[in-house]
Amino acid sequence: NAGVTQTPKFQVLKTGQSMTLQCAQDMNHEYMSWYRQDPGMGLRLIHYSVGAGITDQGEVPNGYNVSRSTTEDFPLRLLSAAPSQTSVYFCASRPGQANEQFFGPGTRLTVL
Amino acid sequence: AQKVTQAQTEISVVEKEDVTLDCVYETRDTTYYLFWYKQPPSGELVFLIRRNSFDEQNEISGRYSWNFQKSTSSFNFTITASQVVDSAVYFCALNRDDKIIFGKGTRLHILP
Repeated sequence: NAGVTQTPKFQVLKTGQSMTLQCAQDMNHEYMSWYRQDPGMGLRLIHYSVGAGITDQGEVPNGYNVSRSTTEDFPLRLLSAAPSQTSVYFCASRPGQANEQFFGPGTRLTVL
Repeated sequence: AQKVTQAQTEISVVEKEDVTLDCVYETRDTTYYLFWYKQPPSGELVFLIRRNSFDEQNEISGRYSWNFQKSTSSFNFTITASQVVDSAVYFCALNRDDKIIFGKGTRLHILP
């Protein structure tokens, strides 16, 4: 049981480049979420999903897209990276609405 | 709107002292869940506790204890006889419907 996995662990992009942060879980959890962590700002919710084919926006969705074609995978896409998107990104999953979340190890993204 | 406030940005205590981390939340829901997570210097997010809004009993787990008071909308976390390994950032979080929203965190330094 690998839990929640994220790739890559580190990434450097130039402004305007696009990329996809990968997130996968092998616990058959319905709920998955993406957060970004910035100094002094805590964890802010970007997008979340309550099941395959269903996604919704969180607190800071601008500049990010998501899709959920399978229960296991929840990729986060940056279409045109900006320096303001430099952050640590965490993916999380949980079985249901009332449960605690399990977090991946994070991806540290730098946009130059 | 739901909101989680951790007013203490940073706390330093000497080892073996007791320390309390404050968490105040806002929600209009009658059913909700509260969580605490720990983020040690290594960066991973570790789940500590979940409490539902109908259970106001205090909880103790070893040196950790939690005090949930609906009357003051608070869910405070106390570490008794602190140790250097308790040094971390601690996050309080609130669940509403399909989202989990985090506070900005409290950075705790335990000095040897």
